[in-house]
Amino acid sequence: AQTVTQSQPEMSVQEAETVTLSCTYDTSENNYYLFWYKQPPSRQMILVIRQEAYKQQNATENRFSVNFQKAAKSFSLKISDSQLGDTAMYFCAFMTYTNAGKSTFGDGTTLTVKP
Amino acid sequence: GAVVSQHPSRVICKSGTSVKIECRSLDFQATTMFWYRQFPKQSLMLMATSNEGSKATYEQGVEKDKFLINHASLTLSTLTVTSAHPEDSSFYICSAEGEGWGKPQHFGDGTRLSIL
Repeated sequence: AQTVTQSQPEMSVQEAETVTLSCTYDTSENNYYLFWYKQPPSRQMILVIRQEAYKQQNATENRFSVNFQKAAKSFSLKISDSQLGDTAMYFCAFMTYTNAGKSTFGDGTTLTVKP
Repeated sequence: GAVVSQHPSRVICKSGTSVKIECRSLDFQATTMFWYRQFPKQSLMLMATSNEGSKATYEQGVEKDKFLINHASLTLSTLTVTSAHPEDSSFYICSAEGEGWGKPQHFGDGTRLSIL
């Protein structure tokens, strides 16, 4: 069974600064996908960024980037130039190739961006 | 982009009532949809996987007779909470399996269910 651990229940950051959210996972699979989803106070979850395990290059999406350490089973999310609209709950998720579509989610990190 | 519509957004009803929640993929076909339950400030708990044209696959501990799932078309899945009781009060979220690599999920807005 796969597990996803987010060790930071809550975090805060000043506007325009950088923050890193941590995520570790446990699996015996070699081929899988990793995701970060964002759930703002309006509640709809949206995809922030995704990474395929066989790719060594870290994924980036504008101000969002990941630090993927496969050996350490770590998948942290870095948000640069934080904006007030980044305030949300962030979930790290894991999905194997063989179980496509069915993700395992971490417990989430509530991020507050302060003005 | 892919849009998933979930309706209703909020339901308040008396104990013993059955409540139906709809999840629609508006601009794509969703062979597979997922139903989650989420408690305040907690993660999503997968309840079941809904497959078009076949029976849903329920996670361990989820009562299939309590939470009826129907996925009759490629754009609609429904979750019916039968004879709801206060302990069923929660936030229910559906998602549809997306396309492209990794098949990221596209989520509905969620339904806040409150049983009095």
